[in-house]
Amino acid sequence: EADIYQTPRYLVIGTGKKITLECSQTMGHDKMYWYQQDPGMELHLIHYSYGVNSTEKGDLSSESTVSRIRTEHFPLTLESARPSHTSQYLCASSDLSGAYNEQFFGPGTRLTVL
Amino acid sequence: AQKITQTQPGMFVQEKEAVTLDCTYDTSDQSYGLFWYKQPSSGEMIFLIYQGSYDEQNATEGRYSLNFQKARKSANLVISASQLGDSAMYFCAMRETLISNFGNEKLTFGTGTRLTIIP
Repeated sequence: EADIYQTPRYLVIGTGKKITLECSQTMGHDKMYWYQQDPGMELHLIHYSYGVNSTEKGDLSSESTVSRIRTEHFPLTLESARPSHTSQYLCASSDLSGAYNEQFFGPGTRLTVL
Repeated sequence: AQKITQTQPGMFVQEKEAVTLDCTYDTSDQSYGLFWYKQPSSGEMIFLIYQGSYDEQNATEGRYSLNFQKARKSANLVISASQLGDSAMYFCAMRETLISNFGNEKLTFGTGTRLTIIP
């Protein structure tokens, strides 16, 4: 069973607030990812990291930023939340040790910006 | 560029029947991997099954099997003997390169199919 955690699970916040979505994994995976998913829609990659001090932007432009100071931790930050940021954010990790190099996902954070 | 197409937005299936969820893909790469994930209403993504582009046999994992037709670029998921707990969103996804290329490990997801199992 995958050990990847996201907090908070649900967040309702006002416009203009700074927020950080936490993601941690205990599997020692080098690769980590953030996806954004609107309800009932596909996942879009917004950030990824191949290891400590490595971060890249994904396919979908996002105003969020990420950091990777420790292998197990990949937080996502929004400096000033807006209603357009309302969505579900899913964190995932992978490495070469998996049979299929599949990505393991966290439970997600459902963000609502009022 | 990659593209994943899932043409069935929603499906209703009687419990204990088999169900096929369609997925077609478009890529110019020779080496790629195809994944199916299940997403219950709770939101997490659960890995179900994987098919590599060079795999000669269709992948199977318990009640899940993948009907891989490479020439048609399709990778349909078959769930046998459906159960109420199978009700969820199902996403097909493609990874375009071998693990030897550390520069590209991104997945491209389809729009999903919402499966509802009827008692």
